[in-house]
Amino acid sequence: AQKITQTQPGMFVQEKEAVTLDCTYDTSDQSYGLFWYKQPSSGEMIFLIYQGSYDEQNATEGRYSLNFQKARKSANLVISASQLGDSAMYFCAMRERGAGGTSYGKLTFGQGTILTVHP
Amino acid sequence: NAGVMQNPRHLVRRRGQEARLRCSPMKGHSHVYWYRQLPEEGLKFMVYLQKENIIDESGMPKERFSAEFPKEGPSILRIQQVVRGDSAAYFCASSPLMSQRDTEAFFGQGTRLTVV
Repeated sequence: AQKITQTQPGMFVQEKEAVTLDCTYDTSDQSYGLFWYKQPSSGEMIFLIYQGSYDEQNATEGRYSLNFQKARKSANLVISASQLGDSAMYFCAMRERGAGGTSYGKLTFGQGTILTVHP
Repeated sequence: NAGVMQNPRHLVRRRGQEARLRCSPMKGHSHVYWYRQLPEEGLKFMVYLQKENIIDESGMPKERFSAEFPKEGPSILRIQQVVRGDSAAYFCASSPLMSQRDTEAFFGQGTRLTVV
């Protein structure tokens, strides 16, 4: 079974509008972390936002917020006031506890969503 | 504080040659992770190393691929006898000793390997 599912291969949004990128995950761990990364056409991986499974509040970083619904195992990224520079591939990723219950930085990625912002 | 440095950024190899990809982690980071991104796909974990130790190589192909992180110098991902299917972007990430509260791994800019 897929651990991270991003069901939207592509999304379009008008400049200055908000957009939600979907992410659902599957884990039996109680302690885990969820990440969103942006990959522009230049190819680098840019960290956007992080949500810990025990965090009670949804994470926010500037125009990025994470709509974390633990019971539904979803961690959707919301981008407010879209800008042309937001056009990129977006990846959701999860970190689980490693061997022996020790958490380390190994990430499992979804397939990504290509976001296109129209002027 | 320099970020994670990968070189080369682009690498072209003929089938059957060897590819060596280098990754220098961020200063103070002793943990390195390698990921592979095939065209139109997400990143897939390959291997996790600490200095002089391979901790988790569950994502490494059984043949032709190897990784090391020596006491001195960068981490090296080596692909022997490359084939066209090895063409991909290879990313390195580094982190300090992780606790559950640590919020990110820092990625390099990747090495794009093309096998011709």
